[in-house]
Amino acid sequence: QSALTQPASLSGSPGQSITISCTGSSSDVGGHNYVSWYQQHPGKAPKLMICAVSDRPSGVSNRFSGSKSGNTASLTISGLQLEDEADYYCSSYATTSTPLVFGTGTKVTVL
Amino acid sequence: EVQLVESGGGLVQPGGSLRLSCVASGFTFNSYAMSWVRQAPGKGLEWVSAISSSGASTYYADSVKGRFTISRDNSKNTLYLQMNSLRVEDTAVYYCAKPINYDILTGYFVNWGQGTLVTVSS
Repeated sequence: QSALTQPASLSGSPGQSITISCTGSSSDVGGHNYVSWYQQHPGKAPKLMICAVSDRPSGVSNRFSGSKSGNTASLTISGLQLEDEADYYCSSYATTSTPLVFGTGTKVTVL
Repeated sequence: EVQLVESGGGLVQPGGSLRLSCVASGFTFNSYAMSWVRQAPGKGLEWVSAISSSGASTYYADSVKGRFTISRDNSKNTLYLQMNSLRVEDTAVYYCAKPINYDILTGYFVNWGQGTLVTVSS
């Protein structure tokens, strides 16, 4: 099972919005709603930002939102802030021999 | 407060074995499935294995199937990962992770340990 495809890097200015895509197949992203997103700062453990495509766990800023269309899930960060500079990973359940897969990761830079 | 504390990492030669442990506290350990997730230096996240709350069901990534064994001791609130036939490509920080819900494979990991580094090298 290959990793889900994400852009390697994205950048934006403070206050702007950016959208990170996560492309899979009908065996994973497109087949159900078990999609999640994680934020990881250097040297730290990942933090769950979105689960079930668009649900925000308690304590996560409403500047983060998730969606899905077909085989592609998306994470949008609105009102970009310096603290949002981090790596972001999507994850999905998969009906394959490896039942849980992560995305390739996207490095977000706040200019 | 949920705490997950991994241990057991270190340097091992290719073909060697290592057992990782993750001691959990702050929640009802025997109610939750648990997973191991790894991250090679400078690389992305990779899910490794999951185990049901009772330990009766286990799941593995193709990359470790047949070499790694996940287990748990609910009386000790401890999760394990037995790693055999280790390869250079198994070098990574290994995290134990707890989901936000009771599902085993949805992957909604809300709690993570600090990670333990496994280095496979001759």
